[in-house]
Amino acid sequence: EIVLTQSPGTLSLSPGERATLSCRASQSFSSTYLAWYQQKPGQAPRLLIYGASSRATGIPDRFSGSGSGTDFTLTISRLEPEDFAVYYCQQYGDSPQTFGQGTKVEIK
Amino acid sequence: EVQLVQSGAEVKKPGESLKISCKGSGYTFSNYWIAWVRQMPGKGLEWMGIIYPGDSDTRYSPSFQGQVTISADKSITTAYLQWSSLKASDTAMYYCARGGTYSSYWGQGTLVTVSS
Repeated sequence: EIVLTQSPGTLSLSPGERATLSCRASQSFSSTYLAWYQQKPGQAPRLLIYGASSRATGIPDRFSGSGSGTDFTLTISRLEPEDFAVYYCQQYGDSPQTFGQGTKVEIK
Repeated sequence: EVQLVQSGAEVKKPGESLKISCKGSGYTFSNYWIAWVRQMPGKGLEWMGIIYPGDSDTRYSPSFQGQVTISADKSITTAYLQWSSLKASDTAMYYCARGGTYSSYWGQGTLVTVSS
């Protein structure tokens, strides 16, 4: 099973700042199979990025994904108030699919 | 409009059985995998397994194999997650989501509480 480790656990930033979230895999897999989700309290997860770098429908271009092999990054170029949430990476290239433990982006 | 509507919250006792549902609409239900994802209180997302309603092909995470049963009835465009004997540790929010890979569409979640 591929273990995804996200860092940091919590990111304290101010609106307008840049957020860089990391997702590291225990073994290499195709970047085609890496997704990022945003989850706010009391809500279902929302797909942001798939295929490591493709934005899902309706996702603002301040969200971008990159990476390959075992190291992947989600970048939020300028944080908006609605971006403060928990973010999860997911790999779907190997069975079982797995999620990272999440990174909370909180207001500083 | 694609929608996944899950059944309502449940409160059960340890040892009881339970079946929760996820009804799809706005697309051809048979043609898309449905995934189930667990989220324990204050914790992250855990992938439980997937089912292809067209032929009921089902895959489980080893962590959940034998603990739950995933099924689907394509005639009523509904997928199910069931337990034969609940434990307190099954207390969680359970989400269904469309897709055998990444998921663009999610149900609203079903909260299952198991307590004596």
